[in-house]
Amino acid sequence: GQNIDQPTEMTATEGAIVQINCTYQTSGFNGLFWYQQHAGEAPTFLSYNVLDGLEEKGRFSSFLSRSKGYSYLLLKELQMKDSASYLCAVTRPGTYKYIFGTGTRLKVLA
Amino acid sequence: NAGVMQNPRHLVRRRGQEARLRCSPMKGHSHVYWYRQLPEEGLKFMVYLQKENIIDESGMPKERFSAEFPKEGPSILRIQQVVRGDSAAYFCASSPERSTDTQYFGPGTRLTVL
Repeated sequence: GQNIDQPTEMTATEGAIVQINCTYQTSGFNGLFWYQQHAGEAPTFLSYNVLDGLEEKGRFSSFLSRSKGYSYLLLKELQMKDSASYLCAVTRPGTYKYIFGTGTRLKVLA
Repeated sequence: NAGVMQNPRHLVRRRGQEARLRCSPMKGHSHVYWYRQLPEEGLKFMVYLQKENIIDESGMPKERFSAEFPKEGPSILRIQQVVRGDSAAYFCASSPERSTDTQYFGPGTRLTVL
């Protein structure tokens, strides 16, 4: 089967850095997406990794290691508005379905 | 450029009734995907459609669920004879011409079955 694992919840302080991990075991791999989802709202696209390494986009960075089946999302200079769920999703060759993890609920405290 | 639109945002049905969920993709997008999110669970793929065609419905329950994406108008996810277990958030996403492009999600329809 396909398995995507993320921590259920994390807590961090405003201004700090937090790393949200995602490990995956899938039959084939094409790419990995990170989405942010505020309660009651649409998931919004954050990043997409296809090759190994770090992709940086402002305060958010995403890392991928295909050999280890591992990714992380790094959030710097945390703000209260970053309190949300962060969803990791994998795609496989020849398909378009996203396989999602259960998401990580991040709480940012003042 | 308006995002993906879904309506209604909230829908309450009694057991045995029908639920119709609508999704209008982003302008210029011809690929539509439906996902279901049960409480405390991740999003699960249900069906992938292009205009007038169902490409993959492997995630759809075999009975009571159907989807369409007509030439004109929104995509519709239809659930007949709803049961309590159908209570969930249903999200629609769309992507441009290539099915492997990034998917953009709508705000979801929260279905509650009494």
